[in-house]
Amino acid sequence: ETGVTQTPRHLVMGMTNKKSLKCEQHLGHNAMYWYKQSAKKPLELMFVYSLEERVENNSVPSRFSPECPNSSHLFLHLHTLQPEDSALYLCASSQVGKNEQFFGPGTRLTVL
Amino acid sequence: GEDVEQSLFLSVREGDSSVINCTYTDSSSTYLYWYKQEPGAGLQLLTYIFSNMDMKQDQRLTVLLNKKDKHLSLRIADTQTGDSAIYFCAESDTGFQKLVFGTGTRLLVSP
Repeated sequence: ETGVTQTPRHLVMGMTNKKSLKCEQHLGHNAMYWYKQSAKKPLELMFVYSLEERVENNSVPSRFSPECPNSSHLFLHLHTLQPEDSALYLCASSQVGKNEQFFGPGTRLTVL
Repeated sequence: GEDVEQSLFLSVREGDSSVINCTYTDSSSTYLYWYKQEPGAGLQLLTYIFSNMDMKQDQRLTVLLNKKDKHLSLRIADTQTGDSAIYFCAESDTGFQKLVFGTGTRLLVSP
């Protein structure tokens, strides 16, 4: 595997389910990000982890819970989501001090 | 807060040049980026420019920056059908790489 990978690529869940999105970067980076991409809206930065510590939480509802167990892996735990949370969730990684973020292909989430 | 604006749609014919425009509001923007997103894929970094530059060229891509007017453009020479995608402008300051994205411009290239 190369670059940034995300699993699953598609996810359909009910409002009472609990699921997790996974991101893995194979670039040796030390910062990771979650973004939300909704139709006709700019990408929204959700969370930033630098050196495995959360450094940004962009007023995201608590039904989204990130986890960064090491510099290569990032999770987004989901519970009791709402239909308006349906979106493409993108993970990115970068090297601290360098101004390039590399994105994964995203997980298309549909909440019924 | 910071704001980045782009037109939503651009249609060109194959072989023509495409110019995608972007305006931003944050005067402390240090880096300005162009990303490309193809259907079903994540964002691919095309190029970026440091705010003390006014032009950067990379093969078919030319980025122009007018810092006074806070206007950024991406010119694609000899546009191909494979260039059809959504193009996002983004900016960041010298802080922790917090990118602020525009809504994206959908480029459609017809044969």
